[in-house]
Amino acid sequence: GENVEQHPSTLSVQEGDSAVIKCTYSDSASNYFPWYKQELGKRPQLIIDIRSNVGEKKDQRIAVTLNKTAKHFSLHITETQPEDSAVYFCAAVDENNFNKFYFGSGTKLNVKP
Amino acid sequence: DAGVTQSPTHLIKTRGQQVTLRCSPKSGHDTVSWYQQALGQGPQFIFQYYEEEERQRGNFPDRFSGHQFPNYSSELNVNALLLGDSALYLCASAGTGGSYEQYFGPGTRLTVT
Repeated sequence: GENVEQHPSTLSVQEGDSAVIKCTYSDSASNYFPWYKQELGKRPQLIIDIRSNVGEKKDQRIAVTLNKTAKHFSLHITETQPEDSAVYFCAAVDENNFNKFYFGSGTKLNVKP
Repeated sequence: DAGVTQSPTHLIKTRGQQVTLRCSPKSGHDTVSWYQQALGQGPQFIFQYYEEEERQRGNFPDRFSGHQFPNYSSELNVNALLLGDSALYLCASAGTGGSYEQYFGPGTRLTVT
């Protein structure tokens, strides 16, 4: 099955700096890559996603890049704010295999004011 | 739209007991997936229900079973509880109209003593 690795496990940045979280996957059939933000005690919420026919996608301060050849994708957060502090999870999905989501182990992002 | 709802919020059980968790999907969604999230880890896929049948299963023992009802709501049953079953159990729903985005419920925190 799919194996998703996520790095780093913790990331501390100063407010206003950029943060980058990286994930690798093993199954070349995966073609949908969502990113979720989970605040303490709350449900994971989708913040951005990308499909395999696209190399990059942006939404305001958040961007995701995908390298299908290398089987890795990254989340970029620019101009970080304290409210960005949370745990971020990447996932890899084979949409042709009934949407079975494989999650990374998470990155705890701490944005220091 | 109430989104995905789960009950109960918290549950404490003793080893060897059985537990049933419940999930109501987001309005318009017909697919329900269950995940186990241990502390500090990413969600692990348990199984997925569609049209009242289990159509995909993760690497979990038969002690974990489920059901989907005609109104698309779902139950997760765990028999012979072990201490290692203590976790946050998340339900996620999705539609089949072309978008594969999964919406998560708030989760049920299960503690096995």
